[in-house]
Amino acid sequence: DTGVSQNPRHKITKRGQNVTFRCDPISEHNRLYWYRQTLGQGPEFLTYFQNEAQLEKSRLLSDRFSAERPKGSFSTLEIQRTEQGDSAMYLCASSLGGGSQIYEQYFGPGTRLTVT
Amino acid sequence: KQEVTQIPAALSVPEGENLVLNCSFTDSAIYNLQWFRQDPGKGLTSLLLIQSSQREQTSGRLNASLDKSSGRSTLYIAASQPGDSATYLCAVRVISSGSARQLTFGSGTQLTVLP
Repeated sequence: DTGVSQNPRHKITKRGQNVTFRCDPISEHNRLYWYRQTLGQGPEFLTYFQNEAQLEKSRLLSDRFSAERPKGSFSTLEIQRTEQGDSAMYLCASSLGGGSQIYEQYFGPGTRLTVT
Repeated sequence: KQEVTQIPAALSVPEGENLVLNCSFTDSAIYNLQWFRQDPGKGLTSLLLIQSSQREQTSGRLNASLDKSSGRSTLYIAASQPGDSATYLCAVRVISSGSARQLTFGSGTQLTVLP
């Protein structure tokens, strides 16, 4: 399977703990996106990378959140000092990219985070 | 700021019925509009993508239309089946500086097709 993969699929953590999620995009895709989806809502954009550069961040991405894509391949999303309001599905997507061209995004299965 | 609204929030129909899901958006300056399917607890599966220059796209029993000037799209599902039960999400990509690459989603329509 050469689609977008995310690990872990489920994470349960206690409030105040740090968590890290990983996303492996489709191999030839140089753009990678993170979205957050709470119950009953559509996904909301968090941040976007082109290669290793983080080009855009949403206001939803508080200072407790950090995302990296060190070699322009996989990406990690870390949440520090988790709060119950962080409970959500975290979705990763990837696409081709170049200049101002817009390409279709392909989504991974998501990581479901539950903060107790 | 782009806002995407989907009506109805939930829909239940008997098997075999044809149905229409609605999506509206406030900013008509879009690159494209995409319909996704999401099964419970799962990621998103892309169903149809309509470029801003197009009026409709078809795939099997699905047909999506786009009226950019009025800020509306519909997803038509013909001869619905229980396997079509899922949440259907509409998303647009807006032409505006700084946000040209993210998708803005509606809250979805939860469809149940009864056998």
